Amino acid sequence: DSGVTQTPKHLITATGQRVTLRCSPRSGDLSVYWYQQSLDQGLQFLIQYYNGEERAKGNILERFSAQQFPDLHSELNLSSLELGDSALYFCASSVTPGTGSADTQYFGPGTRLTVL
Amino acid sequence: GQQVMQIPQYQHVQEGEDFTTYCNSSTTLSNIQWYKQRPGGHPVFLIQLVKSGEVKKQKRLTFQFGEAKKNSSLHITATQTTDVGTYFCAVTDSWGKLQFGAGTQVVVTP
Repeated sequence: DSGVTQTPKHLITATGQRVTLRCSPRSGDLSVYWYQQSLDQGLQFLIQYYNGEERAKGNILERFSAQQFPDLHSELNLSSLELGDSALYFCASSVTPGTGSADTQYFGPGTRLTVL
Repeated sequence: GQQVMQIPQYQHVQEGEDFTTYCNSSTTLSNIQWYKQRPGGHPVFLIQLVKSGEVKKQKRLTFQFGEAKKNSSLHITATQTTDVGTYFCAVTDSWGKLQFGAGTQVVVTP
C-alpha cells in the first residue's frame, strides 16, 4: 500500500459523458501527478500540481482538466468522453517535485475508466 | 523532451535464469529511474541512478547507468516467479515529471 488513494476503482460510462477521478496523496506530500496508461500509448504524464498550483502539463487533452484543493487532494475531470479515453488513470504523489530522494513518486492503485 | 527506448518489449524467462532489460536514449540523461508494475497493479519505484557509470544492487537486481549517461540496464539473476511484471525505465525533468519507456513485460515459466 503506497498511501495514495484513488476513487473510484472502476468507472464505466458512455461516450459524451463527464467523469471526475479523485486522488488523495500520501500524508505530507505536496505534489500530485496524473498519468494515463493505455495499451497503445503506454504510461503518459498528464499534469502536475504542487501545493495547489499547476506546475507542469504533458499531453493532456483540452477536454481534460484537473485541480488540487487546499487539503491537497486532487481531481481529474474528463469531459466529452470518447472511446479512446478508456485507460487506467494513475495518480502519484511526492513530498516535493524534483529529482531528489524526497521527490520519489508513489503511485495510487489507479482508476480504470471504460467508455462504451 | 527526452525519450527513452526500452528493449526487449517482452521477455520469457525460465525460473532460475538471468535476464537483462535495456533503456536507451539518443541524448544525455540527467538521471534514470526504474519502476516495476505487477499484473493488475500500479508502478512501484525501484531505484534512481544519477552518476555516470553508477551501479546499484538490490538483492538479485543490478541496475547500471552507462558511462555516457545515455543508457541504462536492469539485470535480474536467478529469476523467480515473483519477478513477473512489467519493468519501466523513466527519466525526470527538474519538476519531477516522469517520461516512461514502453516497458519490458516479463513472464516467468516455472
